[in-house]
Amino acid sequence: EPEVTQTPSHQVTQMGQEVILRCVPISNHLYFYWYRQILGQKVEFLVSFYNNEISEKSEIFDDQFSVERPDGSNFTLKIRSTKLEDSAMYFCASSPEGVNSPLHFGNGTRLTVT
Amino acid sequence: KQEVTQIPAALSVPEGENLVLNCSFTDSAIYNLQWFRQDPGKGLTSLLLIQSSQREQTSGRLNASLDKSSGRSTLYIAASQPGDSATYLCAVRDSNYQLIWGAGTKLIIKP
Repeated sequence: EPEVTQTPSHQVTQMGQEVILRCVPISNHLYFYWYRQILGQKVEFLVSFYNNEISEKSEIFDDQFSVERPDGSNFTLKIRSTKLEDSAMYFCASSPEGVNSPLHFGNGTRLTVT
Repeated sequence: KQEVTQIPAALSVPEGENLVLNCSFTDSAIYNLQWFRQDPGKGLTSLLLIQSSQREQTSGRLNASLDKSSGRSTLYIAASQPGDSATYLCAVRDSNYQLIWGAGTKLIIKP
């Protein structure tokens, strides 16, 4: 069964550094998402992406965050200047259609900012 | 503002028992509700998606119900197995198309 793949599985970075989290969504899916889960807290929506542009974003997704689909397969989340509070598990997800289709998640990237 | 609550936060039952996990939400204006499973260090696996017009969905030993008017959903697991041990999350798609998550129920099935 096709899967969403995320790399790396764990990223350690120093405060103020830029990080890029990578995702390869399922190939025939059209909608892409990033979520995060701070340890011990609920999953939080960051951003959705469709037709090569952001369709929705949350208050968390400020100017420090950006997303890109640089080619036909990768979907990346960039954090320009990481803060300690950015430490979390970041999940990429994709779906074949819009809001009425189930989300398929990757295994996540654990980001640790020191 | 939509809020999603899952009770209990943790549940431990002997293998073979049938069990029910609960999810409640404050705003009945939803598009759908989805149940997920999360294993430690892993991603989220979609189990069942119930559209707002549906009352229930079934997949194998899992049955999810939705009562939109009362803001409740249940996930029924029949004949539980140790492999069912995981955290179960429910999430509602609200009127702004955003997915709002519960905190999850951590389920332990004792052999």
